[in-house]
Amino acid sequence: AAGVIQSPRHLIKEKRETATLKCYPIPRHDTVYWYQQGPGQDPQFLISFYEKMQSDKGSIPDRFSAQQFSDYHSELNMSSLELGDSALYFCASSPAGYFRNNEQFFGPGTRLTVL
Amino acid sequence: DAKTTQPNSMESNEEEPVHLPCNHSTISGTDYIHWYRQLPSQGPEYVIHGLTSNVNNRMASLAIAEDRKSSTLILHRATLRDAAVYYCILRVLYETSGSRLTFGEGTQLTVNP
Repeated sequence: AAGVIQSPRHLIKEKRETATLKCYPIPRHDTVYWYQQGPGQDPQFLISFYEKMQSDKGSIPDRFSAQQFSDYHSELNMSSLELGDSALYFCASSPAGYFRNNEQFFGPGTRLTVL
Repeated sequence: DAKTTQPNSMESNEEEPVHLPCNHSTISGTDYIHWYRQLPSQGPEYVIHGLTSNVNNRMASLAIAEDRKSSTLILHRATLRDAAVYYCILRVLYETSGSRLTFGEGTQLTVNP
């Protein structure tokens, strides 16, 4: 079965650089979520989109922005990178329908290292 | 959001049942109880969810107390592959699409061969 695809899987950047993470949801899933997981920490919600509109927002820094495109893929843009942004970034998707909040399907994550 | 409390860690032997507890004494009537797990170096994975009645699926069973203030995730025969962090999460029934999962401090399950 198709899964959530994230690219790149690994990314190394210098401080103050920018990074773009991409997420391709499972086909026919219309909702995308972004989570950040720092070393030794639990995943923390950043932001989500439903039908290309922002639907929920967590503690996402102002330096970060995200959007969902017409084909439902999503991109997380991160600027002025800081050492503390080094983390695993997970994308998840969920299907449309009445019980749309029953399950989120997570991708393998993008490991971002800021030097 | 209603809070959940889980033990930091639990240990089990391979092929034995595992009971992972979760307390959620402030649960509201519209909260579903969800369980996710995260294997090492992987994204979280949905395990099971329920509202009031006990639930079974191919991965696990969920036993919900009659007053809904606690629940137990049951792995019937633990395997080495079940070693993971298990998260108990409450989610409001029929929430707006795109609502977050709030991960608390889950339970690190160790399975001994």
